[in-house]
Amino acid sequence: EAGVAQSPRYKIIEKRQSVAFWCNPISGHATLYWYQQILGQGPKLLIQFQNNGVVDDSQLPKDRFSAERLKGVDSTLKIQPAKLEDSAVYLCASNPTTQGNTIYFGEGSWLTVV
Amino acid sequence: AQSVTQLGSHVSVSEGALVLLRCNYSSSVPPYLFWYVQYPNQGLQLLLKYTTGATLVKGINGFEAEFKKSETSFHLTKPSAHMSDAAEYFCAVSGHGGSQGNLIFGKGTKLSVKP
Repeated sequence: EAGVAQSPRYKIIEKRQSVAFWCNPISGHATLYWYQQILGQGPKLLIQFQNNGVVDDSQLPKDRFSAERLKGVDSTLKIQPAKLEDSAVYLCASNPTTQGNTIYFGEGSWLTVV
Repeated sequence: AQSVTQLGSHVSVSEGALVLLRCNYSSSVPPYLFWYVQYPNQGLQLLLKYTTGATLVKGINGFEAEFKKSETSFHLTKPSAHMSDAAEYFCAVSGHGGSQGNLIFGKGTKLSVKP
């Protein structure tokens, strides 16, 4: 079974530029998450989708971050304009249902803002 | 609100020694608890989870954890450390909001194993 796919794996951009990360969850998984992991910290949930609807985006900085999950399959997370403090690993994860307990993580997209 | 505290940001053990990584949680509802491992430049891999039932949970790679409600703890142990266990370990509790899927993580404990 293929895992959660993310791209690009690494990205370096200058502050005020924009960046987009893509995620393809495990086939058939209805729930998709984006987490932000800053160096030295645990991952923090940014947004949760159930199919193509948003379940929780309370911790998403909406002035600069946006995410969509068209057709309820893959998802894109965008940052515009980027700030230095956005340097982090962006982890995508998926889960078969909202009641399922096991979340499967991708390898992450590493962002450095200079 | 739910939260997780991992005691010790860095733990060092000798190969063959006991591994003990500490995790305490706060939750107003019965928690679902998890341990994840992260190797350098990789994503998170589930080691084990507690949902309901038996409080001693066995996971992959010889790890186990015990849910102690009275102590609000979920410590991770392994009887004998291997060099390959060197990684960062995260304890997590499931969140609120009608969904038990999203996770609240601790800050992580980096495990070093000395030969």
